[in-house]
Amino acid sequence: AQTVTQSQPEMSVQEAETVTLSCTYDTSENNYYLFWYKQPPSRQMILVIRQEAYKQQNATENRFSVNFQKAAKSFSLKISDSQLGDTAMYFCALEGGSEKLVFGKGTKLTVNP
Amino acid sequence: GAGVSQTPSNKVTEKGKYVELRCDPISGHTALYWYRQSLGQGPEFLIYFQGTGAADDSGLPNDRFFAVRPEGSVSTLKIQRTERGDSAVYLCASSKQRESEAFFGQGTRLTVV
Repeated sequence: AQTVTQSQPEMSVQEAETVTLSCTYDTSENNYYLFWYKQPPSRQMILVIRQEAYKQQNATENRFSVNFQKAAKSFSLKISDSQLGDTAMYFCALEGGSEKLVFGKGTKLTVNP
Repeated sequence: GAGVSQTPSNKVTEKGKYVELRCDPISGHTALYWYRQSLGQGPEFLIYFQGTGAADDSGLPNDRFFAVRPEGSVSTLKIQRTERGDSAVYLCASSKQRESEAFFGQGTRLTVV
């Protein structure tokens, strides 16, 4: 079975600061994908960043970057220069060997002015 | 349409009633997914369509749940004899092809009273 664990139910950060959200996962697949999704109160899941397991280079998207540690099965999200609009639920997800995403329970991030 | 559209946005029904939830994917997207998100949890996979056929329905919790996609576009999730435990947000996503980004709708919040 594939699992995704997010150990931080809630996090807060000051505007313009940097915050890191943690995620660990388990899979027996060799080829898989990892994702971070943002879910604002509108409920729509928005893709933040995606990492392919066979790529050693960490993915980056503007202020968002990941620290992908394959051996440790760790996939953390770093948000730099946090903005008020970053306030949302953040979900880590895994897709491996099938078409379905397995999600963690989420981290509620609050950016304070 | 520009994005994945789900109707209704909210649905309140009485225990034991039948409900249908509709998903209108992005035009041209062949893959369509249904997920269920209970309060305080991450989304859980229900079913995946490739074209008109259900390629993976392993996430459907029991035989009260059924989904169709007769023309390979719009999909309907059907729940018979609803129970209070079915209360959740039902999310739909679509993607252009396998291993490409999945785009989510805003979900239907189902409340069974």
